[in-house]
Amino acid sequence: QKEVEQNSGPLSVPEGAIASLNCTYSDRGSQSFFWYRQYSGKSPELIMSIYSNGDKEDGRFTAQLNKASQYVSLLIRDSQPSDSATYLCAAGNTDKLIFGTGTRLQVFP
Amino acid sequence: DAGVTQSPTHLIKTRGQQVTLRCSPKSGHDTVSWYQQALGQGPQFIFQYYEEEERQRGNFPDRFSGHQFPNYSSELNVNALLLGDSALYLCASSLYHLSLNTEAFFGQGTRLTVV
Repeated sequence: QKEVEQNSGPLSVPEGAIASLNCTYSDRGSQSFFWYRQYSGKSPELIMSIYSNGDKEDGRFTAQLNKASQYVSLLIRDSQPSDSATYLCAAGNTDKLIFGTGTRLQVFP
Repeated sequence: DAGVTQSPTHLIKTRGQQVTLRCSPKSGHDTVSWYQQALGQGPQFIFQYYEEEERQRGNFPDRFSGHQFPNYSSELNVNALLLGDSALYLCASSLYHLSLNTEAFFGQGTRLTVV
């Protein structure tokens, strides 16, 4: 079983819609969770961090964490073509981050 | 405020050779972690350095070694290169916390190709 699982996609949404990205993790000891955006050929860019159950909003992005269900999600409101990228979910496990394989998001005009 | 910088950006090496990659962390950060990202995969943790010591190591052979200097910069060394070592090598810097992973920021990466 993979430690952090994501649907590889692609997830296709029209411009202006809400994109919903999901992630599950297996290690109940994980306490920190992160979403990174990675454009093709580039390095991951941190867009959200979340440490406690509930929602955290930052601009068009909302991260949701449910530790009981071992589930993390990222909502992107008013999706733009520039949001088209691979979104990596990561769970913090002591000194390291465990990444999923990423979900490819495509926002079409 | 300088972000995380890595050098070189691209590198081509022959099987069996050795390579050294370099990383300077974001200003104010004291911890450097190295990751390997193969095509189509998420980054895989190699090891982390804090206070010039290796704090934790992922599932990588001893051919992978590292170092952290007093100014917090770090090097990743890979010996006896294999074709399978071809990947994007990422350096992430963060601020050390005893029990929690703080936000980690990545450099632009070094694309290593082994031929």
